[in-house]
Amino acid sequence: DADVTQTPRNRITKTGKRIMLECSQTKGHDRMYWYRQDPGLGLRLIYYSFDVKDINKGEISDGYSVSRQAQAKFSLSLESAIPNQTALYFCATSDSTRGAVDEQFFGPGTRLTVL
Amino acid sequence: AQSVSQHNHHVILSEAASLELGCNYSYGGTVNLFWYVQYPGQHLQLLLKYFSGDPLVKGIKGFEAEFIKSKFSFNLRKPSVQWSDTAEYFCAVNSPGGGADGLTFGKGTHLIIQP
Repeated sequence: DADVTQTPRNRITKTGKRIMLECSQTKGHDRMYWYRQDPGLGLRLIYYSFDVKDINKGEISDGYSVSRQAQAKFSLSLESAIPNQTALYFCATSDSTRGAVDEQFFGPGTRLTVL
Repeated sequence: AQSVSQHNHHVILSEAASLELGCNYSYGGTVNLFWYVQYPGQHLQLLLKYFSGDPLVKGIKGFEAEFIKSKFSFNLRKPSVQWSDTAEYFCAVNSPGGGADGLTFGKGTHLIIQP
């Protein structure tokens, strides 16, 4: 199932570097999300977007920024990466037109290591 | 802010044993409830969801969950587990109209099924 794709799948970078993680979807969904997963902490919401003009901070937005370039694309940037941003990052989408908040569909994840 | 508690971080069972994974949430209003599964090396997939109606929800692969509003609980069950159920399981909650969109996840339960 390649409805939600993320690039790169793995990335190793150094402290202070700028990193961009990209997410694309072919599901036609209007809402997109970025989460990070850390062992023992589950997934935590970084940013979410209801449409291209609507960006909202999540639980842990500090140190991150996002861009919704089109309905199908939502990128996450780390302006100056630090080691505690080492994590598995997931993009997700959902369809608000189905009424009540519906399930979210997740991409395969990007494993980011900051040295 | 709402929170989600999963009581068991690691569970080891033998094949054919019965499974129950606990999940409690803190929000007192209307909630949507989800269980996601993450098989080794894969992205999150939806097991089942509850929005309204029958509090006993049946999902894929023989899983079910029961919503007990008075206990703020949404426990996951399976009568007879298989080796292929080895995975990490996440309970998640969303409160429609509760402000921030996106899901609040529990920290996950790592389930290992021994053959």
